[in-house]
Amino acid sequence: EDQVTQSPEALRLQEGESSSLNCSYTVSGLRGLFWYRQDPGKGPEFLFTLYSAGEEKEKERLKATLTKKESFLHITAPKPEDSATYLCAVQESGGSYIPTFGRGTSLIVHP
Amino acid sequence: KAGVTQTPRYLIKTRGQQVTLSCSPISGHRSVSWYQQTPGQGLQFLFEYFSETQRNKGNFPGRFSGRQFSNSRSEMNVSTLELGDSALYLCASSPGTGGTGELFFGEGSRLTVL
Repeated sequence: EDQVTQSPEALRLQEGESSSLNCSYTVSGLRGLFWYRQDPGKGPEFLFTLYSAGEEKEKERLKATLTKKESFLHITAPKPEDSATYLCAVQESGGSYIPTFGRGTSLIVHP
Repeated sequence: KAGVTQTPRYLIKTRGQQVTLSCSPISGHRSVSWYQQTPGQGLQFLFEYFSETQRNKGNFPGRFSGRQFSNSRSEMNVSTLELGDSALYLCASSPGTGGTGELFFGEGSRLTVL
């Protein structure tokens, strides 16, 4: 069973059509949850860190939220340049601090 | 500040050969991690080095190895290449002191095994 599950696998939006990406996790204790953006042919780029339920972080059109079992990446009024794969990673407390990555959500925003 | 640099960016090998990939971390970062990324498995952790010592290791066979030098630069080696080793190999650096999950990735080395 995957510790980190992202949904949907792929998402197509029209420019300006807001939506949310989901990251659910099953670790017993959370040390941190991380969101990354990956453009084709590039390495992932760090976006946010969330540590505790109720925490929110914002950056431009992106807002990340965290509950005890999942995180959402909300995209408000997306633009074509927001097209990318969004990766979620979880760091478990009490064990190795190496983050476990989900398989990502591929987002395409059409003009 | 220069980012993480990986070389080579692209390479093609045949089964049975070996390959060495190089990674130069951000200046001042002492931790270097390596990941394998494939469409089917996503990002899989290979190993992490800190101050020339392997600090963590993922679930990969012994054909995959790495090392870190005193200047924090790192190399990974894959011996006896198999078709399934075709992937994007990503290096990530971090300051390394507190086990942060905030990683700075290079652009990767894309390996194709024929």
